Amino acid sequence: RKEVEQDPGPFNVPEGATVAFNCTYSNSASQSFFWYRQDCRKEPKLLMSVYSSGNEDGRFTAQLNRASQYISLLIRDSKLSDSATYLCVVNDYKLSFGAGTTVTVRA
Amino acid sequence: NAGVTQTPKFQVLKTGQSMTLQCAQDMNHNSMYWYRQDPGMGLRLIYYSASEGTTDKGEVPNGYNVSRLNKREFSLRLESAAPSQTSVYFCASVSRQISDTQYFGPGTRLTVL
Repeated sequence: RKEVEQDPGPFNVPEGATVAFNCTYSNSASQSFFWYRQDCRKEPKLLMSVYSSGNEDGRFTAQLNRASQYISLLIRDSKLSDSATYLCVVNDYKLSFGAGTTVTVRA
Repeated sequence: NAGVTQTPKFQVLKTGQSMTLQCAQDMNHNSMYWYRQDPGMGLRLIYYSASEGTTDKGEVPNGYNVSRLNKREFSLRLESAAPSQTSVYFCASVSRQISDTQYFGPGTRLTVL
């Protein structure tokens, strides 16, 4: 079983829509969690950390469910510029990366 | 600040050739990492250096060697390139601990024929 698993998508959504997707992790002792964004053929960049209580950054909301071992990312009021691949990253003494979920926002 | 820089951006090698990928950071970070990214897979850690003078194997170290030349520079060497090493290679650095943000370089796209 992979340490971090994501639905690869793609999620094709119209501008203004809400899109949400999950990431599951296998190690229950994992300490911290992140969402990174990666644009086509570019380097990953931190989007947001994921805290136990859940956290929000503008149109982005991240949630952590330790009991079911998954984290989620929700994007509200999608913009064309949100089109990217979103990488789930889990820290269990080392960073483990998911393969990414691709989101395409269409006009 | 340039952040994390990598050279070259693109490289084509023939099987059996050797090359060194260069990485440098100007953020005074202690830890540096080398990853490879293949289609449909997450980034996989090749080697990392927790601090100047130390290096450790990651998930997929076979076929690679590294050198932490000083605090700024961390190089990745392919001694005898194989087609299976065709990939995109990213270098990253982080300031103190694993919970801090990792900053990535722009990547090196390597093709081994």
